[in-house]
Amino acid sequence: EAQVTQNPRYLITVTGKKLTVTCSQNMNHEYMSWYRQDPGLGLRQIYYSMNVEVTDKGDVPEGYKVSRKEKRNFPLILESPSPNQTSLYFCASSFPRTGELFFGEGSRLTVL
Amino acid sequence: QKEVEQDPGPLSVPEGAIVSLNCTYSNSAFQYFMWYRQYSRKGPELLMYTYSSGNKEDGRFTAQVDKSSKYISLFIRDSQPSDSATYLCARPSGNTPLVFGKGTRLSVIA
Repeated sequence: EAQVTQNPRYLITVTGKKLTVTCSQNMNHEYMSWYRQDPGLGLRQIYYSMNVEVTDKGDVPEGYKVSRKEKRNFPLILESPSPNQTSLYFCASSFPRTGELFFGEGSRLTVL
Repeated sequence: QKEVEQDPGPLSVPEGAIVSLNCTYSNSAFQYFMWYRQYSRKGPELLMYTYSSGNKEDGRFTAQVDKSSKYISLFIRDSQPSDSATYLCARPSGNTPLVFGKGTRLSVIA
């Protein structure tokens, strides 16, 4: 089954404790991206990757890191989480310039 | 200007009603738009494409672009409780596939 898989789906952590949210896709997509979704603010792009070893900042990259060492994986790293990073996070992937993004089921992160 | 503007709602309608969801955009160069649907606790999924040249129909859903007023509309006929979701309009944007509106939350009441 074609899918984007994120883990963990739910996480409660404390300020400053490094965490990684993993994302993996099995559709051989070149493009991958991370979004956060907050009430009243909609989907905002954090980072994106056009292909392996190519990453770029989105609209809200502060406090996040990413890497793209393999085509299928695009982990999101929070080196020192803060409460303002409490949010619902989505990973997405697609072929370039198709307009159809495939989203994971989301990871709800709470930073205390 | 990157954004597509969308009324966040929430919008609550009785079952069977015709629903109209709208977005506005600023750049008339955009050639196509998308509508995504997001159920609660799920990721968004593509519902429909629509090109800037007119309407597209898919079952109970019709997507429409009015280039003169820069409006994108999604109409849902005979709305069902299963249509209750957040609907996001989106447009293409350079290297990043899409820029999303903030979404309109729709509730269809049985």
